Amino acid sequence: GDSVTQMEGPVTLSEEAFLTINCTYTATGYPSLFWYVQYPGEGLQLLLKATKADDKGSNKGFEATYRKETTSFHLEKGSVQVSDSAVYFCALSGKSGAGSYQLTFGKGTKLSVIP
Amino acid sequence: DVKVTQSSRYLVKRTGEKVFLECVQDMDHENMFWYRQDPGLGLRLIYFSYDVKMKEKGDIPEGYSVSREKKERFSLILESASTNQTSMYLCASSLIIGNQPQHFGDGTRLSIL
Repeated sequence: GDSVTQMEGPVTLSEEAFLTINCTYTATGYPSLFWYVQYPGEGLQLLLKATKADDKGSNKGFEATYRKETTSFHLEKGSVQVSDSAVYFCALSGKSGAGSYQLTFGKGTKLSVIP
Repeated sequence: DVKVTQSSRYLVKRTGEKVFLECVQDMDHENMFWYRQDPGLGLRLIYFSYDVKMKEKGDIPEGYSVSREKKERFSLILESASTNQTSMYLCASSLIIGNQPQHFGDGTRLSIL
């Protein structure tokens, strides 16, 4: 079945540091890929998405490129802020046995940014 | 913007009680989902529904049931709550066509004593 593997945390960075959170996937067909973010005490919010190979999703300074050849979708940001402290989830969308689309999530990576 | 509303942010119940968690979405989405989130385990799908009165089991349906009588509302039911069902519960919705993102509510933190 489909699976998503992302780097384990927690990750602690100083403000303005460069961020990379690795994500690789296994899936049949051509899934869409997503990054979600969860701030403390809240639900998940869609951060960015990519629907086909070589697409780059971007939002709020975060970027991720859909790499079919390496089955990866790594999240990057050039300069993190304290407000970026959150848990980040990589996910892919694939068809279930019932024919509808489901998300398969990685286990999440907790990021803490210190001033 | 899509709005997914879960009826309670925090809930405390006792072992053996029947517990209802309610979720409403306002964007006419066909798909609705219930997950539980536990430290170290990420999100696990309990049930989902792709139409009114339709439901499909997810990865961990045991001990839970669901109800979808109206398109906008999806209820999760713990028939007889147990302490191992203490968790954060997240509801989500999405369009049925293509690989659309899911939109999440703020979650219900449920404690079973």
